[in-house]
Amino acid sequence: GAGVSQSPSNKVTEKGKDVELRCDPISGHTALYWYRQSLGQGLEFLIYFQGNSAPDKSGLPSDRFSAERTGGSVSTLTIQRTQQEDSAVYLCASSIGGGPYNEQFFGPGTRLTVL
Amino acid sequence: GNSVTQMEGPVTLSEEAFLTINCTYTATGYPSLFWYVQYPGEGLQLLLKATKADDKGSNKGFEATYRKETTSFHLEKGSVQVSDSAVYFCALSDYGGSQGNLIFGKGTKLSVKP
Repeated sequence: GAGVSQSPSNKVTEKGKDVELRCDPISGHTALYWYRQSLGQGLEFLIYFQGNSAPDKSGLPSDRFSAERTGGSVSTLTIQRTQQEDSAVYLCASSIGGGPYNEQFFGPGTRLTVL
Repeated sequence: GNSVTQMEGPVTLSEEAFLTINCTYTATGYPSLFWYVQYPGEGLQLLLKATKADDKGSNKGFEATYRKETTSFHLEKGSVQVSDSAVYFCALSDYGGSQGNLIFGKGTKLSVKP
């Protein structure tokens, strides 16, 4: 079956602009995670969705970052007023259920470059 | 808080050499431990995992044993191949934090020369 897909694969934007990144999880996976991979900080957790529960936003670095998950499936990560330090690869992962025992399947990522 | 520390790379080995990548962790609860691998140009994928103390995860000739007494999860392979060249990430997941979000080490880049 299809894996996790993300779009766009690359995004170049100017400082101060808003961007939206999209994630399509594996069908039937109730848990969805966003991570960020950057040279300076490595791989960092951003936000977690599980079914229809309120998301865990504890990893979001600032209030410029937000995410939604519609219908328990597709998720959109929005970064407002982008800054150069937002440049990174944004990874989405899904798993069949939340918790530490279920394998997370990662998408190919969206490479964001803020000029 | 929870954290993962892994040896810094890059690591360069000749084909058929023995590989060890050290990983230690700090956790408040009883985490699951993982090794993820990122091959050049590809996405992150699970290599192996262990969910409780003394468990051994294994896959593709790689092994790692969950050692609670030393809070370690070192990755080993007896004979590496050129195709093993990749970046390896040690990670943990714990119910104490978000529901299963992964906390990663910084990654270790492995290059295997023929």
